Amino acid sequence: AQSVTQPDIHITVSEGASLELRCNYSYGATPYLFWYVQSPGQGLQLLLKYFSGDTLVQGIKGFEAEFKRSQSSFNLRKPSVHWSDAAEYFCAVVLRNGGYNKLIFGAGTRLAVHP
Amino acid sequence: KAGVTQTPRYLIKTRGQQVTLSCSPISGHRSVSWYQQTPGQGLQFLFEYFSETQRNKGNFPGRFSGRQFSNSRSEMNVSTLELGDSALYLCASSLGRGGDEQYFGPGTRLTVT
Repeated sequence: AQSVTQPDIHITVSEGASLELRCNYSYGATPYLFWYVQSPGQGLQLLLKYFSGDTLVQGIKGFEAEFKRSQSSFNLRKPSVHWSDAAEYFCAVVLRNGGYNKLIFGAGTRLAVHP
Repeated sequence: KAGVTQTPRYLIKTRGQQVTLSCSPISGHRSVSWYQQTPGQGLQFLFEYFSETQRNKGNFPGRFSGRQFSNSRSEMNVSTLELGDSALYLCASSLGRGGDEQYFGPGTRLTVT
């Protein structure tokens, strides 16, 4: 069955350090992939997306992600984390079924940033 | 351009009651999807509406229903509320079908007592 796995439930980094959040998907065809961020008490904000083409995609707030088909991964990276990046991050894949599409989310990774 | 709006933001209901949540999509967006977010189950897809028709449905009981109006605004209804229905209900809109990038509202926090 199609699924998204985020292996890390919690991650803590120091401000200014680099960040990588892992995402693995299980999907037979070429996936549509997304990363969203959710601050406490807020909805989800789209960080970036991959549909096709260049496997390294740039997003908002200095984030980027790399699609690696051979590893079924779509990891999110940021070279230098800011305290305001503390939030929960969700990876998602679009499940396409005869024109009926829905987003399947991973369980999320909660990021804490130490000053 | 205004974002996705959801009303009310917070709601407290009693078991057995019913509730209606409202979502106004971004202007020009025709698809509205609903998700339930809980600490135990995470983000789960409820249903998607496009052009006033339900196009896709998740694995939720029939107590959960929705509709979409001609102006693309959508409502979600939950009847005979159970304690387990306590959750953050998120609405997302997109230009086209659910495979497009979706923009989320702030959610409605429902507490069932």
